[in-house]
Amino acid sequence: AQSVSQHNHHVILSEAASLELGCNYSYGGTVNLFWYVQYPGQHLQLLLKYFSGDPLVKGIKGFEAEFIKSKFSFNLRKPSVQWSDTAEYFCAVNAPGGSYIPTFGRGTSLIVHP
Amino acid sequence: NAGVMQNPRHLVRRRGQEARLRCSPMKGHSHVYWYRQLPEEGLKFMVYLQKENIIDESGMPKERFSAEFPKEGPSILRIQQVVRGDSAAYFCASSPSYGPEAFFGQGTRLTVV
Repeated sequence: AQSVSQHNHHVILSEAASLELGCNYSYGGTVNLFWYVQYPGQHLQLLLKYFSGDPLVKGIKGFEAEFIKSKFSFNLRKPSVQWSDTAEYFCAVNAPGGSYIPTFGRGTSLIVHP
Repeated sequence: NAGVMQNPRHLVRRRGQEARLRCSPMKGHSHVYWYRQLPEEGLKFMVYLQKENIIDESGMPKERFSAEFPKEGPSILRIQQVVRGDSAAYFCASSPSYGPEAFFGQGTRLTVV
């Protein structure tokens, strides 16, 4: 079974600062990788996803993530955050060769000060 | 194409009552997943269903919780004799047949008083 670790549970930044949120997974086979965002009181929305191909994935709202297979990582980045990026961010993985059930990390709470 | 619909959005139950949470998947989706979200704990998988079948219920508590996805109608997550510890947000997601991406509903926030 796959598992996901998000090492930063709480991140506080000022506007215009750069963001990188860590995500590591454990699974020996092929994986699909996702980042979801949850704004306060709302449901999860997909930010970006990786299935195959170019390991640098660009998503909505200026976010991007890089899949590094050798490190089992899929870190989320944004060069300049905005106050409106304040939200909870979840990394998730599922395994096409095993279970398609998405497994989530614990989440990272991001607060951006104006 | 409507997204995943969950109702009610908010549900208040007294201890000992039953809670029924409904999830209508996206059109054409035959797979449903239920998750529970507790503060500071992220999303915990509960159960994975296809039409008329429970595929994986490894995340479901052994007692009081059940789920179904009938041939017709929404998927139902049922919690009997609710306790305060059941207070949480419950999210449903759906996907096409073995589709890699799951689409989430807006969740039901259950409060047990």
